[in-house]
Amino acid sequence: SYELTQPPSVSVSPGQTARITCSGDALPKLFVYWYQQKAGQAPVLVIYKDTERPSGIPERFSGSTSGTTVTLTISGVQAEDEADYYCQSADSSITYPDVVFGGGTKLTVL
Amino acid sequence: QLQLQGSGPGLVKPSETLSLTCTVSGGAISSSNYHWGWIRQPPGKGLEWIGNIYHTGITYYKSSLKSRVTMSVDTSKNQFSVKLTSVTAADTAVYYCARQSTIGSSWYFDHWGQGTLVTVSA
Repeated sequence: SYELTQPPSVSVSPGQTARITCSGDALPKLFVYWYQQKAGQAPVLVIYKDTERPSGIPERFSGSTSGTTVTLTISGVQAEDEADYYCQSADSSITYPDVVFGGGTKLTVL
Repeated sequence: QLQLQGSGPGLVKPSETLSLTCTVSGGAISSSNYHWGWIRQPPGKGLEWIGNIYHTGITYYKSSLKSRVTMSVDTSKNQFSVKLTSVTAADTAVYYCARQSTIGSSWYFDHWGQGTLVTVSA
């Protein structure tokens, strides 16, 4: 198995840019997916395959990758973006596929 | 629009079996390129994948839960289910059902149910 590491919290003021990282040794060979979870709600997919944005997700959400670290960037943060964000990856190439989530990052909009 | 609705007892006694069902509407559970998964979230904690099932019955389980988990699918009812045996307080969590896209090497959850809180307590 492998681990994904996220910072526990990130704080930004409205209008600023928030960057949430997800690190793991296996990431150079695996895709990463990002979910937003607002309080009391189910997670929502905001980025898939490292950089792709599902339909309906605002353009201010973007993803990038560099080596063992993948970054979710929220440009021009709005109050409604305050939520927990989770990265996720999966290794389906092995005999017993494994799906792993990062520990989550709480984004606070000051 | 695809919707998933989980259902099942909200309270289970220690050592007993947790059973949940997810009903899918707005799409066929037998669609290719999709598995159907279960994810749980203990109160105040992060997400944990439990496993997923394909409409043919092929299953993949998290290795640490494999000895206690069984998933099944009923294509005639457009439902899939999970059973977790010998539960303890550590199994107390919100249990989510979700559609898992499995195109190529991409495994991710693009539609989620609302979640079912299951408490393990005597």
